[in-house]
Amino acid sequence: GQNIDQPTEMTATEGAIVQINCTYQTSGFNGLFWYQQHAGEAPTFLSYNVLDGLEEKGRFSSFLSRSKGYSYLLLKELQMKDSASYLCAVRDHGGSYIPTFGRGTSLIVHP
Amino acid sequence: DSGVTQTPKHLITATGQRVTLRCSPRSGDLSVYWYQQSLDQGLQFLIHYYNGEERAKGNILERFSAQQFPDLHSELNLSSLELGDSALYFCASSVATGGRTEAFFGQGTRLTVV
Repeated sequence: GQNIDQPTEMTATEGAIVQINCTYQTSGFNGLFWYQQHAGEAPTFLSYNVLDGLEEKGRFSSFLSRSKGYSYLLLKELQMKDSASYLCAVRDHGGSYIPTFGRGTSLIVHP
Repeated sequence: DSGVTQTPKHLITATGQRVTLRCSPRSGDLSVYWYQQSLDQGLQFLIHYYNGEERAKGNILERFSAQQFPDLHSELNLSSLELGDSALYFCASSVATGGRTEAFFGQGTRLTVV
């Protein structure tokens, strides 16, 4: 199985940049996902990393270092609507490739 | 809209009762996953089906069961309900299980056991 660790809560200012970290331990890494979840709503897919490096998609970027068991999600030009929970999920070779989710980081963006 | 449909959206029931949650995956998706989300636990994987067959079980209680039908929709059955079963139950679907295949989540069923 996996052990996934994320900060519980972060706050940032509108227009700023924020980095949400995720560390994990797994026996057979097979990909890392980031999801956004607004309160009471469904998680929505943001990014996927399986190789080391940075994946950029608009205002959001995700980085992976497999040797360090580390990923981060970078959000630029923060908007109020970015206030949400950000979930890191790790998939491994064991079982049937089911992503295991961390508890999520609640991001609060204030004016 | 993710294309994954879950019904009902809300369910209030008494302890000891049995309920069935329904999920229709996105068109073409063969994999269906069920997750439970409570305030103190985050998203917990329950069970996975692929093309009608059970593929993996997570932290699913023996009181809970699921199945995927030939038309690929899935049902999660929760019986002998307890107060602690109150949670959001999400269904997710994906076209496959490996590679760059993200899961798409339904809007969830909020179950309240009173």
